[in-house]
Order: sequence, then structure tokens, then C-alpha cells
Amino acid sequence: EAGVAQSPRYKIIEKRQSVAFWCNPISGHATLYWYQQILGQGPKLLIQFQNNGVVDDSQLPKDRFSAERLKGVDSTLKIQPAKLEDSAVYLCASSWRQGLSGNTIYFGEGSWLTVV
Amino acid sequence: GIQVEQSPPDLILQEGANSTLRCNFSDSVNNLQWFHQNPWGQLINLFYIPSGTKQNGRLSATTVATERYSLLYISSSQTTDSGVYFCAVNNAGGTSYGKLTFGQGTILTVHP
Repeated sequence: EAGVAQSPRYKIIEKRQSVAFWCNPISGHATLYWYQQILGQGPKLLIQFQNNGVVDDSQLPKDRFSAERLKGVDSTLKIQPAKLEDSAVYLCASSWRQGLSGNTIYFGEGSWLTVV
Repeated sequence: GIQVEQSPPDLILQEGANSTLRCNFSDSVNNLQWFHQNPWGQLINLFYIPSGTKQNGRLSATTVATERYSLLYISSSQTTDSGVYFCAVNNAGGTSYGKLTFGQGTILTVHP
């Protein structure tokens, strides 16, 4: 079974530029998450989708970050304009369904962003 | 929101030694997962264990939900066990919608 796919794996951009990350969840998984992991910290949830609807974006910096999940499958996370403090690993994850027992969440390999 | 504390923050072992990693959480949970983050950044699922005990080879985990803690045991450690171990939980109450809240991790280094 294929895992969560992410691209690109690595990206270096200058501050004030824009960047987009793509995620393809495990087939059949209705719930998709984007996490941000800054070096030395645990991952922090940015946004959670259930199918193509947003159920939690309370920690998403909406002035510069946006995300969409068209057709309830793939998702794109965009940062525009980027700041130095956005340097982090962006992790996509998916699960079969939200908020219920047996709801193991699976993570992709992550997209490493360096803003210079 | 729910708080997750992991201890110790750092652990250095000789190959072959055993270790115990601890995760304390501040509220009731309906999901608890242990992850190993490899050097390339990927979070590898070790256990889904909101309660009870599970074993997988040299690794085992126990969660005592009523006392709000979980333990990850690593026996006969190997250099490939090195990395960061995260505990992550989902708050059973409130409006968490199933999201995981992570601890700060335990950095494990196993020397040959």
C-alpha cells in the first residue's frame, strides 16, 4: 500500500518569495493534515481537512499561508510571502476518519523548507 | 489545550542497553501514538496505543489512561534506534477533531 506522498522534498527560497507543497494522502483516507515542524520541536498542526472541508485551521497564519484540498484527495499548502521563521519541515498526514478510536494517523516524508 | 510532556529530553546509551521513555498528558485521550523520526525527517508509526500494552519485537509500549501516562520500552538497543521519539495524543473531549498534539520528543543516541 502506498504511503503519503509529498513534494518537493527540499526547497530553498528567499524571503518574500512564494512556495507551494503538494500532498497525496493514502488512498481512501478522508482526513488530511498539514503539520509544521521547526527544528528541535514537535510537529504543530496547521490545518486539518475532512474530505474537502476545513475542520481546524486555528493555528494557520492566514495572512501568508493558504491550503486547499480540491475534490477531497490531493492537497496544496502555499506560503506567500515567506519569512525567515517559516524555515521548517512541512509534514502531510492522513487518516481514515477523524476523532474516533482506531484512527491511526500516517505521515509522509516531509518537505524541508529553508528561507534565506 | 492538552499538554504533552516527554522525558527524558535526551538519552545516550551503549548498544545492547535497555531504556524507558515516558509521556505524560494532561487530559483524557482517545488516540495516543508513538513515533520514531528518522534522520530524513519522516515520522514512523511505532504504536497506536490509547490504552493497554503492545509489543513489536524489541519495542513495547504501555499506556495507563486513568493515570495519564504512557511508556515506551526499547530493549537491546541498536545504533539504528537512534533518532527522536515522539509521543502524540488526541484529546478525547473538546473540539480537537482527531488532531494529534505532540510532545517535545526524546533524542536517543545509541553508541556502538
